Amino acid sequence: DQQVKQNSPSLSVQEGRISILNCDYTNSMFDYFLWYKKYPAEGPTFLISISSIKDKNEDGRFTVFLNKSAKHLSLHIVPSQPGDSAVYFCAARGWNRDDKIIFGKGTRLHILP
Amino acid sequence: KAGVTQTPRYLIKTRGQQVTLSCSPISGHRSVSWYQQTPGQGLQFLFEYFSETQRNKGNFPGRFSGRQFSNSRSEMNVSTLELGDSALYLCASSTRTGGPKTQYFGPGTRLLVL
Repeated sequence: DQQVKQNSPSLSVQEGRISILNCDYTNSMFDYFLWYKKYPAEGPTFLISISSIKDKNEDGRFTVFLNKSAKHLSLHIVPSQPGDSAVYFCAARGWNRDDKIIFGKGTRLHILP
Repeated sequence: KAGVTQTPRYLIKTRGQQVTLSCSPISGHRSVSWYQQTPGQGLQFLFEYFSETQRNKGNFPGRFSGRQFSNSRSEMNVSTLELGDSALYLCASSTRTGGPKTQYFGPGTRLLVL
């Protein structure tokens, strides 16, 4: 059973526009959420995170929104740049440090010139 | 500061063989986690080692095992390889106390089972 779902395998966005990547989760015990970015032939790199006590976290061009009642989070990238073309993974973890991090299957973002 | 290194980067094996992959964490990081990435399943957690002890385990068969040495380097072993084991195997190191934000991934080992 997929506890973290990224239902869009791929997304194409025009350069300069907003990219919105979505993620749904089923486990109400998840307390901490992360987004990772992965380029080909490289490991994922941490992008931004949010804890359940917040509904928004912003870091430069990246903003993550969390809707706990809907068990949904989204990553907004504004404005989108060519270097943003990558696979983005949503991940979640419970409050306990010993909890494992559960990843979604990823969404491939293509930034079009 | 050197990043997480994984060896080998590429590996081809045949069904029934066994394989050992190695991961050297960032200096000072004592936690090492292993993940399997496949197109169909995304990134799946295998196990985590901290201070030479397995702290957490994912839902993989017993053919997948690992260990961690006193210098924090970690190895994972897959015995009796199956075609479905073909994947990118990623390891990540962290300080653990710093939480997931301190987790850094290596470039991965791509395993092909024929």
